[in-house]
Amino acid sequence: QQQVKQSPQSLIVQKGGISIINCAYENTAFDYFPWYQQFPGKGPALLIAIRPDVSEKKEGRFTISFNKSAKQFSLHIMDSQPGDSATYFCAGGGSNYKLTFGKGTLLTVNP
Amino acid sequence: DSGVTQTPKHLITATGQRVTLRCSPRSGDLSVYWYQQSLDQGLQFLIQYYNGEERAKGNILERFSAQQFPDLHSELNLSSLELGDSALYFCASSVGTSGGSYNEQFFGPGTRLTVL
Repeated sequence: QQQVKQSPQSLIVQKGGISIINCAYENTAFDYFPWYQQFPGKGPALLIAIRPDVSEKKEGRFTISFNKSAKQFSLHIMDSQPGDSATYFCAGGGSNYKLTFGKGTLLTVNP
Repeated sequence: DSGVTQTPKHLITATGQRVTLRCSPRSGDLSVYWYQQSLDQGLQFLIQYYNGEERAKGNILERFSAQQFPDLHSELNLSSLELGDSALYFCASSVGTSGGSYNEQFFGPGTRLTVL
């Protein structure tokens, strides 16, 4: 089965700290790895995405690190803020256009 | 606001009934995707349409069907509803191409279905 395994399930970080969420995938046909942020009562919103031809992508406080040989990628949130408190989903996508999502990580940033 | 609209926002119905969920994609997007989100299964891909044609199928039950109309809006039909069908149903859209590289998907606000 084409799975994306995400950890941890939940994460509590102090304001200003670094939040790190990890994902591992099985399907080597994936060529697109997005991260989505979801607030309660809202739909997932695309946060940042990476393709396997680069090892890192940074957008503001958000960075994706990608390790193709290990089939792993991670999201780093620098200087975490209470407004970052949300559920984060990683996903893998391939030429069949569908996204396979991880189970999600509930991030709580304490003030 | 992603530009994807979904109606209704909430739907409460009884077991055995049939419901229709509606989605309007972002202006210019040709692809529509349907996802089911539940606590135990997470976000599960159901089905994708591109410019009116079915493109990809995921874990969609035979009791569920979808279509995309000439104006590109899409409907997800759920029939013979069971308690376990209670979930959030999301529609997403992307520019979509007939082949080639992946396109970003933008999600709507979802429809919360409760089956009693």
